[in-house]
Parts: sequence; C-alpha cells; structure tokens
Amino acid sequence: GAGVSQSPSNKVTEKGKDVELRCDPISGHTALYWYRQSLGQGLEFLIYFQGNSAPDKSGLPSDRFSAERTGGSVSTLTIQRTQQEDSAVYLCASSLAHGERAQYFGAGTRLSVL
Amino acid sequence: QKEVEQDPGPLSVPEGAIVSLNCTYSNSAFQYFMWYRQYSRKGPELLMYTYSSGNKEDGRFTAQVDKSSKYISLFIRDSQPSDSATYLCAMSRTGNQFYFGTGTSLTVIP
Repeated sequence: GAGVSQSPSNKVTEKGKDVELRCDPISGHTALYWYRQSLGQGLEFLIYFQGNSAPDKSGLPSDRFSAERTGGSVSTLTIQRTQQEDSAVYLCASSLAHGERAQYFGAGTRLSVL
Repeated sequence: QKEVEQDPGPLSVPEGAIVSLNCTYSNSAFQYFMWYRQYSRKGPELLMYTYSSGNKEDGRFTAQVDKSSKYISLFIRDSQPSDSATYLCAMSRTGNQFYFGTGTSLTVIP
C-alpha cells in the first residue's frame, strides 16, 4: 500500500476482554514499531521488529501485551485482559531499516476500554 | 524526570507570525533530533531531522539544536492556518529507540 495501514481505526471493548490490533507496513520496509499515545503523554515506545524478530521488547508495559510479525510484513499487537488504563491510541510506524530515522506512521487505532 | 520535556501549550498565533517551539532533555548522549507534525486523528509525520548540534533549514521551518543547554527548537516563519497541528519533538542516542515529547498544540488564526 501507499502508507502504513492500521485496523481497526477505533475499538471499544469491555474490561477483561482481549483485543488484537493490526498493522500493515509500507511494502519493503523491514523495520516496524509500535507506540502508545495517551492523552497528555508523549509517544511511548512499546516494541520494534526487524524482519520478524523483536530484539527489544523492553517497552511492553506488562505481560498482558504481546506482538508478533509474520512474513516480514503484517504485525499484530495483542492486549489480553484489557484494563481501563490500556485506553490510548496505538500507533504503528515502519521504516526501510532499523535505525533509519524516517519512520512513517499509520493513523493509529483508538482503543477505549470500558 | 522525563527524558524529554515539552510545553503542551496550547499556543495560538495570528497568521504570518513566527512560531517558536521548544524541547529540553536530560540525556546528554542524545544526538539524533527530530520534529514531527501531527494533525488531529492522524499519525505523526516527520518534518525535520538534525544530527548533533547546529541549525537546519527547510523552507519556512528551521530546527536548532543546542547540546550544551540540552535544548532544541523549531521555528516556523510566516505561519499559515495549515500549520495548525500538534508538534512533537523526538530524540535518540543511537538512532534506534526514540523518546518523544508530549507535543505542543499550535493554532494559527487567519
């Protein structure tokens, strides 16, 4: 695609449910990043992938969060047993290679946990 | 202490004004500095990138880095209503993990 695509654009869920957020990066981009943006907070780094590998998972806030990437392309961020504090915009970005400064962002998934 | 501090604003200026946006940081090892623009309900887009200290100009935008003061700035000349957005600074030690400011909301009034 022309840009980074994220789905769904909005997700409302009940506390305790699991959710899956999808990111489809720009074709040919080997690096993929997940961030979380909460109201009044900066972008919080969650995890990055180089190919299908995630060398740095240090940003994941708890073991309820996990992510995978398959085929060096689509990535899924899964949040298990969602809590109200998980409500935020989850942004995905991709770049040609890890360390490449030009990260291209998707529009994000706005998650609301009731 | 946060790695990056940025005044959230909001900042409101008349069309044509010069806008100054700033961030301070605590980690002296940062050497990659970026400014992103984020429109409502959109992802951030990269505006300016600077490595180490100095100035960089691109059209109406100028980025400045003062590593001795741990202070970076973005200047927008001849501001336009289309510049109304949230501006995020970001910085990195290695070009890998980036630390973002909270963003400054800017409104340019016609």
